[in-house]
Amino acid sequence: GAGVSQTPSNKVTEKGKYVELRCDPISGHTALYWYRQSLGQGPEFLIYFQGTGAADDSGLPNDRFFAVRPEGSVSTLKIQRTERGDSAVYLCASSLGAGSSYEQYFGPGTRLTVT
Amino acid sequence: SQQGEEDPQALSIQEGENATMNCSYKTSINNLQWYRQNSGRGLVHLILIRSNEREKHSGRLRVTLDTSKKSSSLLITASRAADTASYFCATDPYDYKLSFGAGTTVTVRA
Repeated sequence: GAGVSQTPSNKVTEKGKYVELRCDPISGHTALYWYRQSLGQGPEFLIYFQGTGAADDSGLPNDRFFAVRPEGSVSTLKIQRTERGDSAVYLCASSLGAGSSYEQYFGPGTRLTVT
Repeated sequence: SQQGEEDPQALSIQEGENATMNCSYKTSINNLQWYRQNSGRGLVHLILIRSNEREKHSGRLRVTLDTSKKSSSLLITASRAADTASYFCATDPYDYKLSFGAGTTVTVRA
């Protein structure tokens, strides 16, 4: 079946602009996660959804970052007033249930470049 | 913050050789997982080992876990060019919230 998909695959934007990154999880997966990966580092947790609600947004770096999942499926990560330090690969993952015993399936990521 | 740390940072081996990388972590865990990443993009899940397991195999992969030393190792046997990738260990100090190390970059030379 289809895996996790993310669009766009690449996004170049100017400092100060607003961007939206989309994640389409595996059908039937109730848990959805966003991670951010900087060059040469491992992914870092941003936010976790269980169903429609953000169960844990403790990884969001500041209030410029926001994510939604209005119907419990597709999620959008929104970044306002982008800064050069926001440049990274943003990864989305989904899992059948919550908890670390469930495998998280990752999408290919969106590479965001802020100029 | 990242709780896991892989060692070495980079590894270059000849095709057919074995590759071993290690992961150390700081706090107690329920499970430890290994992922592979090609070309800096999506991660592929390789294997999950629970805290009460000591060793696990999957094809050419062998993972060990020593909770007393807070460390794990990943062994890839009979390496192939397609194994060239970055390998990450991920722990779960906060359950669903995986914490990744910086990874080991493996290059398999033909």
